[in-house]
Amino acid sequence: ETGVTQTPRHLVMGMTNKKSLKCEQHLGHNAMYWYKQSAKKPLELMFVYNFKEQTENNSVPSRFSPECPNSSHLFLHLHTLQPEDSALYLCASSQEPGGSYEQYFGPGTRLTVT
Amino acid sequence: KNQVEQSPQSLIILEGKNCTLQCNYTVSPFSNLRWYKQDTGRGPVSLTIMTFSENTKSNGRYTATLDADTKQSSLHITASQLSDSASYICVVFGDDYKLSFGAGTTVTVRA
Repeated sequence: ETGVTQTPRHLVMGMTNKKSLKCEQHLGHNAMYWYKQSAKKPLELMFVYNFKEQTENNSVPSRFSPECPNSSHLFLHLHTLQPEDSALYLCASSQEPGGSYEQYFGPGTRLTVT
Repeated sequence: KNQVEQSPQSLIILEGKNCTLQCNYTVSPFSNLRWYKQDTGRGPVSLTIMTFSENTKSNGRYTATLDADTKQSSLHITASQLSDSASYICVVFGDDYKLSFGAGTTVTVRA
């Protein structure tokens, strides 16, 4: 185990539903990330948080809404998603933000939008 | 635009054989290059991390090489095992503090 947990592991939702993904890290890290991983495509960075403050939003549609109540927890709130949003959503954490620090990934949430 | 290209997209090898995965990048300048292993249904796990001054680094049966002049890296798997079946992702961290990810190579090891 990497010390980063994600729930649920699988989620099926309709386009009109509202759901939330949860991530928790037990490593004492200050930075947390959300990534989207689609089949055969590189990981796409969505959001970066440092000490609960959002430091990066890579032009993510507003139907994805992140929340970071503290440095150990990260949520991704989902509403009115599209079928093309179906993907594996990965959470990661690192000691500090930026690529010079090792990132530890959670197991991901497999999201299917019907 | 910084890019990381991996080849092949997928490969199948017999248990006990060796294989080499390639990663070509255009990120410049860069700070470090990493190889991750991602098992099916799991998140990526780091195998190696190399700075621009390092040429090779090993982690058990995994050996990564780096040629910063030609902007190429390789990951060599020795004496493959069934547990090596996974996706291997090359990631480059540029001096612009951005991470660039490759699409990965899917390795299938067959008995």
